[in-house]
Amino acid sequence: QKEVEQNSGPLSVPEGAIASLNCTYSDRGSQSFFWYRQYSGKSPELIMFIYSNGDKEDGRFTAQLNKASQYVSLLIRDSQPSDSATYLCAVKAGGSYIPTFGRGTSLIVHP
Amino acid sequence: GAVVSQHPSRVICKSGTSVKIECRSLDFQATTMFWYRQFPKQSLMLMATSNEGSKATYEQGVEKDKFLINHASLTLSTLTVTSAHPEDSSFYICSVMMGMNTEAFFGQGTRLTVV
Repeated sequence: QKEVEQNSGPLSVPEGAIASLNCTYSDRGSQSFFWYRQYSGKSPELIMFIYSNGDKEDGRFTAQLNKASQYVSLLIRDSQPSDSATYLCAVKAGGSYIPTFGRGTSLIVHP
Repeated sequence: GAVVSQHPSRVICKSGTSVKIECRSLDFQATTMFWYRQFPKQSLMLMATSNEGSKATYEQGVEKDKFLINHASLTLSTLTVTSAHPEDSSFYICSVMMGMNTEAFFGQGTRLTVV
């Protein structure tokens, strides 16, 4: 069974700090990795995706992928109170439409 | 990306009644749509894959006679929760994916409360 594990948190960081969110997955055949942000009562929205080992940066967000260790992380620099949300990690196997979602990590950025 | 519209956003119904939720892909012809359910503090759980013009594929443990899915066109899929009970209260979300390795685009979600 494919599993995606995330620490449920909450992770609490002060405004302006770096928030680090981690995700591990069990299926070595996974090829596509996604980070979604979900505000309370809302549906998820895509933050970033990554396919290759290494880092991928987009504004204040950096996704990091290490396929050998089977983990993917999301760094949020200069965290803002508006970043407070639940962050879902999603993983897809090669050739699959259907992602497997983690339970999400709740992030709280306090002023 | 795809724009997905889901309706209604909230619904309260009495136990034993049925509720229909619509999911529309506004700018992408989706042969396949996905229905998820999310309980509080839990992950998104795939309920079923909706296939245009054919029967939906249900995940293990999901009752197909209770959660009726109809995908009659390339832009519309509906989920009907039949004979709803309080334990069916949840957040239901539909999604569209434009390709194998692309991200999921979600509708706004429907908060169902069965009283």
